[in-house]
Amino acid sequence: QVQLQESGPGLVKPSQTLSLTCTVSGGSISSGAYYWSWIRQRPGKGLEWIGYIYYSGSTYYNPSLKSRSTISVDTSKNQFSLKLSSVTAADTAVYYCARFASNWYFDIWGRGTLVTVSS
Amino acid sequence: SYELTQPPSVSVSPGHTASITCSGDALGDKYASWYQQKPGRSPVVVIYQQSKRPSGIPERFSGSNSGNTATLTITGTQAIDEADYYCQAWDSSTLHVEFGGGTKLTVL
Repeated sequence: QVQLQESGPGLVKPSQTLSLTCTVSGGSISSGAYYWSWIRQRPGKGLEWIGYIYYSGSTYYNPSLKSRSTISVDTSKNQFSLKLSSVTAADTAVYYCARFASNWYFDIWGRGTLVTVSS
Repeated sequence: SYELTQPPSVSVSPGHTASITCSGDALGDKYASWYQQKPGRSPVVVIYQQSKRPSGIPERFSGSNSGNTATLTITGTQAIDEADYYCQAWDSSTLHVEFGGGTKLTVL
């Protein structure tokens, strides 16, 4: 079955760019009918949708993070990525990648990766 | 921006029915889903498209959505149901996703 796995640095300095990659296994990212998503959860807080991308490259972002967020896809590697610029301590969170299904819900989630913003 | 409102906490006795609400403007038109999250784990969908239950989710989980309020109902609540629950909506006009703030369900 399809599995998602996040990867990237666990520590990022303030003002730098956070970069994460999600590798999709067990299925093709180009299969259509899905949007490939990033969601985060600050410590002790709720879920926050960052944005998602279709395999063709169409992207949609949370308006509150849009100015700092870039989501891209590499179909040859079956991966999609998140870049979040100008990070501060408030961006410290567990970052999840997830698949958004055609019935408008997240049906598969990665395990999440903790990113800490600190000098 | 669109907001979804959930009660921060709900308590229920084992074997009883728990109801968790999620409120938002015209939520009935926004394909609400519900997720269960246990400590240190990724969220798991328990209800999607207002009231559908994915395979593997117990029948005691049900959902409804009307007007401005979606409700997750757990009938015959068990200790293993203690978790955080999040509602999620999808806006077909903006293609944006929104999560509620989450509700901590305590079974005691």
